[in-house]
Amino acid sequence: NAGVTQTPKFRVLKTGQSMTLLCAQDMNHEYMYWYRQDPGMGLRLIHYSVGEGTTAKGEVPDGYNVSRLKKQNFLLGLESAAPSQTSVYFCASSYSLFAGGQETQYFGPGTRLLVL
Amino acid sequence: AQTVTQSQPEMSVQEAETVTLSCTYDTSESDYYLFWYKQPPSRQMILVIRQEAYKQQNATENRFSVNFQKAAKSFSLKISDSQLGDAAMYFCAYRKTSYDKVIFGPGTSLSVIP
Repeated sequence: NAGVTQTPKFRVLKTGQSMTLLCAQDMNHEYMYWYRQDPGMGLRLIHYSVGEGTTAKGEVPDGYNVSRLKKQNFLLGLESAAPSQTSVYFCASSYSLFAGGQETQYFGPGTRLLVL
Repeated sequence: AQTVTQSQPEMSVQEAETVTLSCTYDTSESDYYLFWYKQPPSRQMILVIRQEAYKQQNATENRFSVNFQKAAKSFSLKISDSQLGDAAMYFCAYRKTSYDKVIFGPGTSLSVIP
């Protein structure tokens, strides 16, 4: 099992450019999440999904969009990148609580994004 | 709203010694989960230990153990026999049982001195 993978690992964007971050998991998890990590602020939830075809806003959703067309993939899009979106982005997945799954989230290795 | 606080931005420990990382949280819930995650320089988040609030017994995983004080809303992590590979950022995290959103603290950077 690869677990949770993220592509790309690192990207530099200019202000106004768009890009998509891909997260994939091979554990058949229902729940998937996108976080951003900034110095001194821990991880903040951007968007999450409780199943294929569903998405919901987290703590800091503005400027981002997501899609969950397939259960194993969760895409994070930046339509018009801003310097404030310079951060490290983490994807995570977990079993569904309602299926009696574990409370543990499994994280990907992160994507470092620099917006100039 | 729930919050998680880690009051020690940086800590250091001598190799083979013991270190305790502090975490406090605020919640009005009676049932919830608490976690400690480790983030080494590779940046991947690794679950170290978790604690269910309804369990009075403190969780233990090999050299890692917690001191869970529910009334005080305190959840500290003790690392015994510290190793160089323990050097990392450590995040305390909280989650309500009924909602799968995890709230993270700001993190504590742990250095291990050879």
